[in-house]
Amino acid sequence: AQKITQTQPGMFVQEKEAVTLDCTYDTSDQSYGLFWYKQPSSGEMIFLIYQGSYDEQNATEGRYSLNFQKARKSANLVISASQLGDSAMYFCAMREGNSNTNAGKSTFGDGTTLTVKP
Amino acid sequence: KAGVTQTPRYLIKTRGQQVTLSCSPISGHRSVSWYQQTPGQGLQFLFEYFSETQRNKGNFPGRFSGRQFSNSRSEMNVSTLELGDSALYLCASSQGGFNQPQHFGDGTRLSIL
Repeated sequence: AQKITQTQPGMFVQEKEAVTLDCTYDTSDQSYGLFWYKQPSSGEMIFLIYQGSYDEQNATEGRYSLNFQKARKSANLVISASQLGDSAMYFCAMREGNSNTNAGKSTFGDGTTLTVKP
Repeated sequence: KAGVTQTPRYLIKTRGQQVTLSCSPISGHRSVSWYQQTPGQGLQFLFEYFSETQRNKGNFPGRFSGRQFSNSRSEMNVSTLELGDSALYLCASSQGGFNQPQHFGDGTRLSIL
């Protein structure tokens, strides 16, 4: 079963506007971690933001924030004030359990391609 | 601080050959994970090494193997290459804790002819 679902294959946003990229996840673990990564066309994966399942506040990192709704099992990425350089593929990823045994194993969604229009 | 370094960046091999990919993690990182990225299957976890021991393994055949050295550098080996092994292979390093992000290299693009 798909554990990470990103339902938007492609998204467009006007420069300087905000955009939300959707991510839903499926796990029976109470402890888990959620990550967002950005992959530009050059190929490297860039870590953006992390949310732990027990974190009470939504994570924020600069222009990135994570809208975490635990009951709905969703972890949407919000990018504020979009820039042309934000055009890339965005991946949502999850680690299950809280053991370091799983620290190196992430499950990724299929990604969303974001295009920022000038 | 230097990032994760993967070599080579590009490789072309033929079916039946074997290949070794290399990954040098960020200094101080003891965990190295390998992922395969293809258009059809997306990003799939291969395995993770921590302090020279394989700590976790994905659902790949035994043709895919790896190891980690005492300086945390890691190698991945694929034997008896198949056309379906054509992919971008990404290496990621972290300090090894559950809530710590993985930092990725630029990847090795492997093409099988």
